[in-house]
Amino acid sequence: EPEVTQTPSHQVTQMGQEVILRCVPISNHLYFYWYRQILGQKVEFLVSFYNNEISEKSEIFDDQFSVERPDGSNFTLKIRSTKLEDSAMYFCASSDLKTQYFGPGTRLLVL
Amino acid sequence: GIQVEQSPPDLILQEGANSTLRCNFSDSVNNLQWFHQNPWGQLINLFYIPSGTKQNGRLSATTVATERYSLLYISSSQTTDSGVYFCAVTGNAGNMLTFGGGTRLMVKP
Repeated sequence: EPEVTQTPSHQVTQMGQEVILRCVPISNHLYFYWYRQILGQKVEFLVSFYNNEISEKSEIFDDQFSVERPDGSNFTLKIRSTKLEDSAMYFCASSDLKTQYFGPGTRLLVL
Repeated sequence: GIQVEQSPPDLILQEGANSTLRCNFSDSVNNLQWFHQNPWGQLINLFYIPSGTKQNGRLSATTVATERYSLLYISSSQTTDSGVYFCAVTGNAGNMLTFGGGTRLMVKP
């Protein structure tokens, strides 16, 4: 069964550093998403992406965040200058317009 | 935006018991999904169920869209059912999922 994959599974970084989180969505899906979950809290929407552009974004998705689909398979989330409060699990998801399928997540720790 | 409330927040069961988890939402929805978050943090799709009833093994779900709630039934619970169960919906504002706060389930042997 096709699945969403994410790399790395864990990342530790210093405050102020840039990180890039990578995702490979399910191949025939056209809608892609990033969500995050701070430890012990609910999952929050960050951004959705369709037809090579952002379709929706939340208040969390400020200027330090960006997304890109650099080739036909990868979908990336970049955080330019990480803050302590960016520590969270980041989930990528892709959709066939009905069900959203989530990847296993990248656990980001900012020190 | 749309609000999603789940109850109960915590649930402890003895293995073999049945349970019902509830999800209330504040507006009409286009999509409703139930997820199980396992101890490793992975979000596992259980159901896509914007309306009606579905069953998958020991799990079943019912969504009554007109009354703005969904129920997840777990029968003959097993220790591997432990984890957090999330309900998530999309409203009319877009395709992003809004998650509830989850129900943390612990099944004891």
